[in-house]
Amino acid sequence: KQEVTQIPAALSVPEGENLVLNCSFTDSAIYNLQWFRQDPGKGLTSLLLIQSSQREQTSGRLNASLDKSSGRSTLYIAASQPGDSATYLCAPMYTDKLIFGTGTRLQVFP
Amino acid sequence: KAGVTQTPRYLIKTRGQQVTLSCSPISGHRSVSWYQQTPGQGLQFLFEYFSETQRNKGNFPGRFSGRQFSNSRSEMNVSTLELGDSALYLCASSLIENTEAFFGQGTRLTVV
Repeated sequence: KQEVTQIPAALSVPEGENLVLNCSFTDSAIYNLQWFRQDPGKGLTSLLLIQSSQREQTSGRLNASLDKSSGRSTLYIAASQPGDSATYLCAPMYTDKLIFGTGTRLQVFP
Repeated sequence: KAGVTQTPRYLIKTRGQQVTLSCSPISGHRSVSWYQQTPGQGLQFLFEYFSETQRNKGNFPGRFSGRQFSNSRSEMNVSTLELGDSALYLCASSLIENTEAFFGQGTRLTVV
């Protein structure tokens, strides 16, 4: 069964901290993996896409790594800001579908 | 470039009724997927369409159906609504299959 686990479930930090969000998936036969951000009651915003052949992808203060063989991905957020407060979702892509984890709820306070 | 557009944004329906939700993908995108988000089950895959063909379907009852038109716009239908169908329904579009997915703002369905 394809399952995705995200740790921690929730995180509350002062601004300026560097953060690590973890994602593990049981089936390593993925096409790619996406990290999303979701604000309360809103849709999903794509943050980063890592192809299955890549090890790392960067966008601004965000960096995501992928270890496909061990079924793990990590999202690093540098110098966190209050505007980063949201739920972060990891989703590996299998044939024509994304499987989502339950997310990490992040709160960054001033 | 316009993003993924879902209509309506909010719906209130009564148990037993049926409902149709609409999704317009990003221009040029040919793959459309639907997901259901609930507090208890999280985000779950409903189905995926590419070039008017359903290619993958999640583990949902037959009351949930969908279709895609020749212009790639998609609709999903839920018949005989139940209270448990209350959820945020999200649509995603991709250029082709298994590529980066872009999501709409969702349709919030409340069944009373």
